[in-house]
Amino acid sequence: GAGVSQSPSNKVTEKGKDVELRCDPISGHTALYWYRQSLGQGLEFLIYFQGNSAPDKSGLPSDRFSAERTGGSVSTLTIQRTQQEDSAVYLCASSYDRLGGYTFGSGTRLTVV
Amino acid sequence: AQSVSQHNHHVILSEAASLELGCNYSYGGTVNLFWYVQYPGQHLQLLLKYFSGDPLVKGIKGFEAEFIKSKFSFNLRKPSVQWSDTAEYFCAVKITNNDMRFGAGTRLTVKP
Repeated sequence: GAGVSQSPSNKVTEKGKDVELRCDPISGHTALYWYRQSLGQGLEFLIYFQGNSAPDKSGLPSDRFSAERTGGSVSTLTIQRTQQEDSAVYLCASSYDRLGGYTFGSGTRLTVV
Repeated sequence: AQSVSQHNHHVILSEAASLELGCNYSYGGTVNLFWYVQYPGQHLQLLLKYFSGDPLVKGIKGFEAEFIKSKFSFNLRKPSVQWSDTAEYFCAVKITNNDMRFGAGTRLTVKP
């Protein structure tokens, strides 16, 4: 597609439930990133996928968070047993090459109640 | 700790005022530097970037930024702001291929 697409745009879930957030990057972009933007905070790096290489998971805040990227394209970020502190905007970005800036999606606003 | 610092959390200006948003980073070695903008209700967009060469980088909408290596700074400037520049601005530093670190952001409010 023309841009990075994320779904859903908004998600309200009950504490303890699992959620899945989807990212569809720009076609041909080999790198895909997940960030989290909390109120009053900067963008927090979560995970990075590059082609067929093993993902860099160093930013995931706990083992309740996981992500996969199928076929080098669509990615799913899963949060298990959600907690209130997981409430944030989850942003996905993709890039074509190692020197480029990122193209961001519109994000998924997650609210855990 | 390695970090990206944006000094101002919220800046309020009148139209036609000059703007400078500070950004400092604490990484050594080669870095790539970026400024992103997020207009209300919209997603993050790339404003400008620096990789090498002329340390004064010009971006879209009249913005520019100057890389001062000795000061580890990459401040964003605009000589005359407009109401439409109201947004949140993020400085970012790419230290490896897979790790871009962002500042906490500066909210700019331009009064008409």
